[in-house]
Amino acid sequence: GESVGLHLPTLSVQEGDNSIINCAYSNSASDYFIWYKQESGKGPQFIIDIRSNMDKRQGQRVTVLLNKTVKHLSLQIAATQPGDSAVYFCAEIRGTGNQFYFGTGTSLTVIP
Amino acid sequence: GAVVSQHPSWVICKSGTSVKIECRSLDFQATTMFWYRQFPKQSLMLMATSNEGSKATYEQGVEKDKFLINHASLTLSTLTVTSAHPEDSSFYICSARDQGPRGSGNTIYFGEGSWLTVV
Repeated sequence: GESVGLHLPTLSVQEGDNSIINCAYSNSASDYFIWYKQESGKGPQFIIDIRSNMDKRQGQRVTVLLNKTVKHLSLQIAATQPGDSAVYFCAEIRGTGNQFYFGTGTSLTVIP
Repeated sequence: GAVVSQHPSWVICKSGTSVKIECRSLDFQATTMFWYRQFPKQSLMLMATSNEGSKATYEQGVEKDKFLINHASLTLSTLTVTSAHPEDSSFYICSARDQGPRGSGNTIYFGEGSWLTVV
C-alpha cells in the first residue's frame, strides 16, 4: 500500500560492490512496477520497469527481479558507484486510474 | 525529451494564506497528472489524480477542500494549498502521463518538485 510515513531504511556499500535493494508490495493485482532514484531535493528519476508477466529485466548495470508469489521486488545495481548514492523507491501501478503508489524507499550510500 | 515543469520550486508563505503550485507538461499533452507529497526522509504519498476537464480524484485521508486541484488544460494542473499551516510544509511533486503516440500509455514523467514552507 501507500507509504505509512516510516523513516527510510538505509544501505551502505563499498564502491565497486553490488547493491541489492528490496521492496514489498501489497496488491496482487498490480501489474506494472517501476524503480525510481531520487536525489536530495529533486523529483524521482526513472531507472527500470517490469511488467507482471516477467520475472526479470536487465538494464545498464541494473537488474529488477519480480517475485509475484511473495509480492517482492528487488533492484540490483552492479559495480555501485558514488553517483548511485540516492534514495530508491519502487512504485506499483494499480487502481482504476492507473495510479502510481510508492514504497517506503531505501537510502543508498556508496562509500568510496 | 519530455519534461514536466513545476513552479515555483521554492515558496514560503504565511500561515493562513493560500499558495498555488503549477505543474506543466512542456512538450506533450497530459490528460492525467498526479500530485504527491513528501516529508523529509519519507516516501512519496499520492494525494490525488488530476483529470483534465473533470474533478480530481483524491486519495483517502486527503482533504479536497484544503488541497484544491484544477486541471484546466492538457498541459497544466495546479495544486492550491488553502489556509496553509506549518504542518503543510512539505515537498510537493507532480507527475504527468504521456498518452501520446510516443508514450506507451503508462509513461510517467515527474517534475522536480516544489518546496513549501509555511511560517
